[in-house]
Amino acid sequence: GAVVSQHPSWVICKSGTSVKIECRSLDFQATTMFWYRQFPKQSLMLMATSNEGSKATYEQGVEKDKFLINHASLTLSTLTVTSAHPEDSSFYICSARGPGTGYNEQFFGPGTRLTVL
Amino acid sequence: GDSVTQMEGPVTLSEEAFLTINCTYTATGYPSLFWYVQYPGEGLQLLLKATKADDKGSNKGFEATYRKETTSFHLEKGSVQVSDSAVYFCALRGSNFGNEKLTFGTGTRLTIIP
Repeated sequence: GAVVSQHPSWVICKSGTSVKIECRSLDFQATTMFWYRQFPKQSLMLMATSNEGSKATYEQGVEKDKFLINHASLTLSTLTVTSAHPEDSSFYICSARGPGTGYNEQFFGPGTRLTVL
Repeated sequence: GDSVTQMEGPVTLSEEAFLTINCTYTATGYPSLFWYVQYPGEGLQLLLKATKADDKGSNKGFEATYRKETTSFHLEKGSVQVSDSAVYFCALRGSNFGNEKLTFGTGTRLTIIP
């Protein structure tokens, strides 16, 4: 149980376009979802935390107008990278937790690799 | 702020060898400590955890002991298998009430050869 999926698993886009990444909890209600970014050979960096039905809380240095997060349901959160540029190329990972997961543990999706040309 | 330092990889071992992946941390108070594993093409999975000093987390033959005096949480396994090949992340969660944020190390890629 406690499976989290992400779609797409990889995406290539042109500079200036927007890309949407979906994160779904498949078998539990995710009251909180987290979005991370991972650069090659570096650790996962938390970008933002979102609670269902509320605005996301962004970490210091993360542009909220650049990385739009929507958590409109208990099973879906989306991250939209607006006007993407090559420096936004990265591996984006989401995680989720909820009442059914014991609250203290986050369950992670497999990640989405974004390449901006 | 909180930080986690883990040994750089990649690490390559023969099957049945002894494994140690070092992890040290910097944090105030009494954080909770975790090891996550990421198999190829999959998301991070919690491998084991420890929530207070001297606790030992264990799972699938892996162990790690929360050592506050050395601020360490080294991962060990006595006899590794090919199926253990993966990337391993050490992480901590701060002790402040309501703090859900996980701070990760850079990950260590482990390859086990038959």
